[in-house]
Amino acid sequence: KQEVTQIPAALSVPEGENLVLNCSFTDSAIYNLQWFRQDPGKGLTSLLLIQSSQREQTSGRLNASLDKSSGRSTLYIAASQPGDSATYLCAVPPTIKAAGNKLTFGGGTRVLVKP
Amino acid sequence: DTGVSQDPRHKITKRGQNVTFRCDPISEHNRLYWYRQTLGQGPEFLTYFQNEAQLEKSRLLSDRFSAERPKGSFSTLEIQRTEQGDSAMYLCASSFPIQPEAFFGQGTRLTVV
Repeated sequence: KQEVTQIPAALSVPEGENLVLNCSFTDSAIYNLQWFRQDPGKGLTSLLLIQSSQREQTSGRLNASLDKSSGRSTLYIAASQPGDSATYLCAVPPTIKAAGNKLTFGGGTRVLVKP
Repeated sequence: DTGVSQDPRHKITKRGQNVTFRCDPISEHNRLYWYRQTLGQGPEFLTYFQNEAQLEKSRLLSDRFSAERPKGSFSTLEIQRTEQGDSAMYLCASSFPIQPEAFFGQGTRLTVV
């Protein structure tokens, strides 16, 4: 059974510092990995999807890397801003494609960027 | 396209009452998913549909829960005889089957008192 872990559970940084968020998964036979952002009391916003054949995916200040062999993904947020304060979640689909695209989520990392 | 829409956004109900939530997916997305999220945790999969067919249900989905997607468009999630443990955020997501990216709605926050 796939398990997804995000450590740390919470992170506080001063504005301008780079953020490094970690995600690990137990079954490396994944097809892709998706990073989401969740503001308090709101739904999830998709940030990046990185395919299993990719090592990196970038969008603006966000960069996600994927190392399947070690079962890890890292989300980097450059030059953090107070508006980046949110919970960041990573998720992976089943390793069997026929099982649909239901996602297994990590517990999230709650980020606070202090002005 | 306005994204995935969920209604209501918030629901407070007394223990023992029935509640129903609605999800309108992104048009042309034929896969629709329901998740439940409790405070401080990541979302947990409940069930998913491809068109009108319910293809999988999690063991989290007890007999008091039922989901439908009658015409392959919107979906409803009903909880009968609500319990305090049902208090959570209920999230809906949709996707194309051949494109892996899932798009989520704003969720319905249920509080059972």
